[in-house]
Amino acid sequence: AQRVTQPEKLLSVFKGAPVELKCNYSYSGSPELFWYVQYSRQRLQLLLRHISRESIKGFTADLNKGETSFHLKKPFAQEEDSAMYYCALISGANNLFFGTGTRLTVIP
Amino acid sequence: DAMVIQNPRYQVTQFGKPVTLSCSQTLNHNVMYWYQQKSSQAPKLLFHYYDKDFNNEADTPDNFQSRRPNTSFCFLDIRSPGLGDAAMYLCATSRDPGGLDTQYFGPGTRLTVL
Repeated sequence: AQRVTQPEKLLSVFKGAPVELKCNYSYSGSPELFWYVQYSRQRLQLLLRHISRESIKGFTADLNKGETSFHLKKPFAQEEDSAMYYCALISGANNLFFGTGTRLTVIP
Repeated sequence: DAMVIQNPRYQVTQFGKPVTLSCSQTLNHNVMYWYQQKSSQAPKLLFHYYDKDFNNEADTPDNFQSRRPNTSFCFLDIRSPGLGDAAMYLCATSRDPGGLDTQYFGPGTRLTVL
Protein backbone atom coordinates (compact mmCIF):
# COMPACT_ATOMS: atom_id res chain seq x y z
CA ALA A 1 0.00 0.00 0.00
CA GLN A 2 1.13 3.54 -0.67
CA ARG A 3 1.93 6.07 2.01
CA VAL A 4 2.98 9.71 1.90
CA THR A 5 4.47 11.18 5.06
CA GLN A 6 4.95 14.86 5.70
CA PRO A 7 6.52 14.87 9.16
CA GLU A 8 6.07 18.59 9.85
CA LYS A 9 2.55 19.90 10.29
CA LEU A 10 3.87 23.42 10.81
CA LEU A 11 7.03 25.07 9.58
CA SER A 12 8.11 28.66 10.14
CA VAL A 13 11.06 30.34 8.49
CA PHE A 14 12.23 33.92 8.20
CA LYS A 15 11.98 35.78 4.92
CA GLY A 16 15.12 35.20 2.89
CA ALA A 17 16.01 31.99 4.69
CA PRO A 18 16.15 28.64 2.90
CA VAL A 19 13.14 26.42 3.27
CA GLU A 20 12.74 22.66 2.94
CA LEU A 21 9.43 20.87 3.26
CA LYS A 22 9.95 17.18 3.81
CA CYS A 23 8.09 14.40 2.08
CA ASN A 24 8.76 10.71 2.34
CA TYR A 25 6.85 8.06 0.50
CA SER A 26 6.28 4.35 0.50
CA TYR A 27 5.27 2.74 -2.75
CA SER A 28 6.11 -0.58 -4.31
CA GLY A 29 6.21 0.59 -7.90
CA SER A 30 7.96 3.42 -9.68
CA PRO A 31 6.50 6.56 -8.12
CA GLU A 32 5.18 9.68 -9.77
CA LEU A 33 5.25 12.51 -7.24
CA PHE A 34 3.76 15.97 -7.03
CA TRP A 35 3.57 19.00 -4.79
CA TYR A 36 0.24 20.79 -4.52
CA VAL A 37 -0.17 24.13 -2.74
CA GLN A 38 -3.10 25.98 -1.20
CA TYR A 39 -2.67 29.69 -0.50
CA SER A 40 -4.94 31.43 1.97
CA ARG A 41 -8.52 31.61 0.67
CA GLN A 42 -7.52 29.98 -2.60
CA ARG A 43 -8.09 26.56 -4.02
CA LEU A 44 -5.67 23.67 -4.04
CA GLN A 45 -3.44 23.81 -7.11
CA LEU A 46 -0.52 21.98 -8.63
CA LEU A 47 2.88 23.46 -7.81
CA LEU A 48 5.20 21.04 -9.51
CA ARG A 49 5.67 17.43 -10.54
CA HIS A 50 8.89 15.49 -10.46
CA ILE A 51 8.73 14.29 -14.05
CA SER A 52 8.87 17.88 -15.28
CA ARG A 53 12.10 18.60 -13.40
CA GLU A 54 11.16 22.27 -13.36
CA SER A 55 11.46 25.13 -10.92
CA ILE A 56 8.18 26.85 -10.10
CA LYS A 57 8.16 30.09 -8.08
CA GLY A 58 11.74 29.26 -7.12
CA PHE A 59 10.78 25.86 -5.70
CA THR A 60 12.43 22.62 -6.77
CA ALA A 61 11.96 19.04 -5.67
CA ASP A 62 14.21 16.10 -6.38
CA LEU A 63 13.07 12.53 -6.24
CA ASN A 64 15.51 10.46 -4.19
CA LYS A 65 14.57 6.85 -4.66
CA GLY A 66 17.25 5.63 -2.28
CA GLU A 67 15.83 7.69 0.57
CA THR A 68 12.26 7.50 -0.80
CA SER A 69 12.00 11.24 -0.44
CA PHE A 70 10.68 14.14 -2.50
CA HIS A 71 11.53 17.20 -0.43
CA LEU A 72 10.47 20.64 -1.63
CA LYS A 73 13.15 23.32 -1.45
CA LYS A 74 13.56 27.01 -2.02
CA PRO A 75 16.80 28.89 -1.34
CA PHE A 76 15.20 32.17 -0.25
CA ALA A 77 11.70 32.13 1.22
CA GLN A 78 9.28 34.95 0.43
CA GLU A 79 6.24 36.06 2.41
CA GLU A 80 3.96 35.04 -0.45
CA ASP A 81 5.18 31.46 -0.05
CA SER A 82 3.15 31.14 3.14
CA ALA A 83 0.62 28.41 2.37
CA MET A 84 -0.37 24.80 2.94
CA TYR A 85 1.75 22.36 0.95
CA TYR A 86 0.72 18.82 0.11
CA CYS A 87 2.96 16.12 -1.26
CA ALA A 88 1.16 13.51 -3.37
CA LEU A 89 1.87 10.40 -5.37
CA ILE A 90 -0.03 8.41 -7.93
CA SER A 91 -1.37 5.20 -6.44
CA GLY A 92 -1.57 1.83 -8.12
CA ALA A 93 -5.07 2.71 -9.23
CA ASN A 94 -3.66 5.74 -10.99
CA ASN A 95 -5.17 8.21 -8.56
CA LEU A 96 -3.59 10.93 -6.45
CA PHE A 97 -2.77 10.00 -2.88
CA PHE A 98 -2.04 12.98 -0.65
CA GLY A 99 0.04 13.49 2.47
CA THR A 100 -1.41 15.37 5.43
CA GLY A 101 0.26 18.63 4.48
CA THR A 102 2.67 21.14 5.97
CA ARG A 103 1.66 24.69 6.76
CA LEU A 104 4.51 27.01 5.90
CA THR A 105 4.68 30.44 7.48
CA VAL A 106 7.28 32.91 6.26
CA ILE A 107 7.99 35.49 8.91
CA PRO A 108 8.73 39.01 7.61
CA ASP B 1 -12.61 32.48 -16.64
CA ALA B 2 -12.56 28.69 -16.97
CA MET B 3 -12.86 27.10 -13.58
CA VAL B 4 -14.29 24.51 -11.23
CA ILE B 5 -17.26 25.77 -9.25
CA GLN B 6 -18.71 24.25 -6.14
CA ASN B 7 -22.07 25.09 -4.61
CA PRO B 8 -22.82 25.78 -1.92
CA ARG B 9 -19.56 26.80 -0.22
CA TYR B 10 -21.05 25.97 3.17
CA GLN B 11 -23.72 23.38 3.80
CA VAL B 12 -25.39 22.52 7.08
CA THR B 13 -27.51 19.40 7.35
CA GLN B 14 -29.05 17.35 10.08
CA PHE B 15 -27.98 13.90 11.13
CA GLY B 16 -29.57 11.44 8.72
CA LYS B 17 -30.98 14.05 6.35
CA PRO B 18 -29.88 13.51 2.73
CA VAL B 19 -27.71 16.21 1.24
CA THR B 20 -26.38 16.92 -2.24
CA LEU B 21 -23.26 18.87 -3.09
CA SER B 22 -22.77 20.28 -6.56
CA CYS B 23 -19.75 20.74 -8.81
CA SER B 24 -19.58 22.25 -12.25
CA GLN B 25 -16.70 22.91 -14.63
CA THR B 26 -16.10 25.04 -17.68
CA LEU B 27 -12.84 23.31 -18.62
CA ASN B 28 -14.59 20.57 -20.64
CA HIS B 29 -12.47 18.00 -18.83
CA ASN B 30 -13.22 14.31 -19.12
CA VAL B 31 -12.58 13.41 -15.52
CA MET B 32 -14.28 14.70 -12.39
CA TYR B 33 -13.22 13.72 -8.87
CA TRP B 34 -14.69 14.02 -5.39
CA TYR B 35 -12.39 14.19 -2.38
CA GLN B 36 -13.21 14.29 1.31
CA GLN B 37 -10.91 16.24 3.59
CA LYS B 38 -11.42 16.06 7.32
CA SER B 39 -9.79 18.51 9.69
CA SER B 40 -5.99 18.27 9.64
CA GLN B 41 -6.10 15.30 7.31
CA ALA B 42 -5.14 14.70 3.71
CA PRO B 43 -7.68 14.97 0.92
CA LYS B 44 -8.99 11.47 0.33
CA LEU B 45 -10.42 10.37 -2.98
CA LEU B 46 -13.98 9.08 -2.76
CA PHE B 47 -14.66 8.37 -6.44
CA HIS B 48 -14.28 9.77 -9.90
CA TYR B 49 -16.01 9.80 -13.25
CA TYR B 50 -14.15 9.30 -16.50
CA ASP B 51 -16.76 10.53 -18.93
CA LYS B 52 -19.78 8.45 -17.88
CA ASP B 53 -17.76 5.69 -16.26
CA PHE B 54 -18.03 5.72 -12.50
CA ASN B 55 -15.01 4.58 -10.46
CA ASN B 56 -15.54 4.06 -6.77
CA GLU B 57 -12.67 3.77 -4.31
CA ALA B 58 -12.75 0.50 -2.42
CA ASP B 59 -13.09 2.10 1.00
CA THR B 60 -15.71 4.71 0.12
CA PRO B 61 -18.81 4.09 2.28
CA ASP B 62 -22.05 3.12 0.53
CA ASN B 63 -23.58 6.21 2.07
CA PHE B 64 -21.80 8.25 -0.58
CA GLN B 65 -23.09 8.29 -4.13
CA SER B 66 -22.37 10.38 -7.18
CA ARG B 67 -24.09 11.42 -10.38
CA ARG B 68 -22.75 12.99 -13.53
CA PRO B 69 -25.64 13.94 -15.79
CA ASN B 70 -23.41 15.65 -18.34
CA THR B 71 -19.80 16.70 -18.91
CA SER B 72 -20.12 19.89 -16.92
CA PHE B 73 -21.84 18.76 -13.74
CA CYS B 74 -21.13 16.22 -11.05
CA PHE B 75 -23.03 15.73 -7.79
CA LEU B 76 -22.11 14.15 -4.49
CA ASP B 77 -25.06 12.65 -2.62
CA ILE B 78 -24.79 11.68 1.01
CA ARG B 79 -27.80 9.53 1.74
CA SER B 80 -27.74 9.58 5.53
CA PRO B 81 -25.07 11.93 6.85
CA GLY B 82 -23.49 11.05 10.14
CA LEU B 83 -21.45 13.26 12.43
CA GLY B 84 -18.32 11.66 11.03
CA ASP B 85 -19.15 12.93 7.55
CA ALA B 86 -18.55 16.53 8.53
CA ALA B 87 -15.67 17.62 6.33
CA MET B 88 -14.55 19.73 3.42
CA TYR B 89 -15.57 18.16 0.13
CA LEU B 90 -13.37 19.01 -2.83
CA CYS B 91 -14.27 18.57 -6.47
CA ALA B 92 -11.50 18.38 -9.06
CA THR B 93 -11.23 17.84 -12.78
CA SER B 94 -8.58 16.69 -15.19
CA ARG B 95 -8.46 16.34 -18.94
CA ASP B 96 -7.36 12.74 -18.80
CA PRO B 97 -7.39 10.08 -16.10
CA GLY B 98 -4.38 8.47 -14.57
CA GLY B 99 -3.22 11.08 -12.13
CA LEU B 100 -0.39 12.37 -14.32
CA ASP B 101 -2.64 15.01 -15.77
CA THR B 102 -2.94 18.13 -13.64
CA GLN B 103 -6.01 18.19 -11.45
CA TYR B 104 -7.88 21.47 -11.10
CA PHE B 105 -9.66 21.90 -7.82
CA GLY B 106 -12.77 23.76 -6.82
CA PRO B 107 -12.90 25.88 -3.67
CA GLY B 108 -14.64 23.14 -1.71
CA THR B 109 -17.89 22.80 0.21
CA ARG B 110 -17.64 22.65 3.97
CA LEU B 111 -20.30 20.30 5.31
CA THR B 112 -21.53 20.56 8.89
CA VAL B 113 -23.72 17.82 10.32
CA LEU B 114 -25.85 18.74 13.33
